[in-house]
Amino acid sequence: EIVMTQSPATLSVSPGERATLSCRASQSVTSNLAWYQQKPGQAPRLLIYGASTRATGIPARFSGSGSGTEFTLTISSLQSEDFAVYYCQQYNNWPLTFGGGTKVEIK
Amino acid sequence: EVQLVQSGAEVKKPGESLKISCKGSGYSFASYWIGWVRLMPGKGLEWMGIIYPGDSDTRYSPSFQGQVTISADKSISTAYLQWSSLKASDTAMYYCARSSTNWFDPWGQGTLVTVSS
Repeated sequence: EIVMTQSPATLSVSPGERATLSCRASQSVTSNLAWYQQKPGQAPRLLIYGASTRATGIPARFSGSGSGTEFTLTISSLQSEDFAVYYCQQYNNWPLTFGGGTKVEIK
Repeated sequence: EVQLVQSGAEVKKPGESLKISCKGSGYSFASYWIGWVRLMPGKGLEWMGIIYPGDSDTRYSPSFQGQVTISADKSISTAYLQWSSLKASDTAMYYCARSSTNWFDPWGQGTLVTVSS
């Protein structure tokens, strides 16, 4: 099973600042990596798939990069609605696995 | 609009059985995988398993194999997650989500399952 490790667990950022979230895979997942956002009381929402392709309707301030074992989600200028928990997920191998999440909170 | 609508919250006792549902609309239900994901209180997302309603091909996470059963009825565009004997540790929010290439979009609204004596 591929283990996905996200860091940091919590990221404190001021509105308007840049946020950089990391996700590491225990073995290569090539570019088969997705990112999700989950707000309290809501279902997760797909942000990025294929490591760097934004899903439909996702603002351009969200960008994904990386391949192999190291991936990054960048939010260029945090808006109030972006404070949430973010998860990465690999879909290169069964079983599919999620990272433990990064909570982005207001500084 | 592609939509997944899940059944309502459940409160059960340990040892009871349960089957929750996820109804798809706005797309060809039989042609996309449906996955199930658990979110326990204070924890992260866990992938449980996935089913292809077209032929009922099903894959389970090793962590959930034998603990739950995933099924689907393509005639009514509905997928199911069921337990034969619930435990207190099954208390969680459960989400279904559509998958085309094994990422998930969209997601159902979630079904809260509470198991308590």
